[in-house]
Amino acid sequence: NAGVMQNPRHLVRRRGQEARLRCSPMKGHSHVYWYRQLPEEGLKFMVYLQKENIIDESGMPKERFSAEFPKEGPSILRIQQVVRGDSAAYFCASSTRTQGPVTNEKLFFGSGTQLSVL
Amino acid sequence: GQQVMQIPQYQHVQEGEDFTTYCNSSTTLSNIQWYKQRPGGHPVFLIQLVKSGEVKKQKRLTFQFGEAKKNSSLHITATQTTDVGTYFCAGLPNRNSGAGSYQLTFGKGTKLSVIP
Repeated sequence: NAGVMQNPRHLVRRRGQEARLRCSPMKGHSHVYWYRQLPEEGLKFMVYLQKENIIDESGMPKERFSAEFPKEGPSILRIQQVVRGDSAAYFCASSTRTQGPVTNEKLFFGSGTQLSVL
Repeated sequence: GQQVMQIPQYQHVQEGEDFTTYCNSSTTLSNIQWYKQRPGGHPVFLIQLVKSGEVKKQKRLTFQFGEAKKNSSLHITATQTTDVGTYFCAGLPNRNSGAGSYQLTFGKGTKLSVIP
């Protein structure tokens, strides 16, 4: 009974490189969320996706960040031309929410990807 | 946009003492959830409160949702070393609140340390 799987656990990139973070939701879950967490901070919502659809990207920076959840395969959070300020823990969560775009069910979080930008 | 404030930011208690963390939202909430994150770990769902004035208990943990659905609290009785971690509240804004996004907004958390 695998939970939410994220990889890699740790990712080191130099400034200007691209970072690709992967997330496979729990079996049976079709809703994926990405959150960013800075040290001693809460989790900041970035984007909410269903298969092949971005439902809410209101928390995503307009430039350099993109997310997808293809019909087959994991959800990908992509950060282009990374800068030091992108260093953070990126958590993916999934849920079984089925009614519209409103969250009304608990989130299951993955172990996160710790991104370090040198 | 919606803001969720949580206090205190840190709390150090002697094992056996009680602990309380408080959560306040700038907008009326549809529901509130609580999560626990152990050091180096990921957030784990504890509970969801939906009704105004609701109180729920899980063993030594008591969760309350305010009458106005804008605040909540988590109280732990007789803390144990296994309670160590950061406790987050997360609020879902009410559709009529005028919040910019209808996704869970997390507080910054209360980091609990328990001295054995």
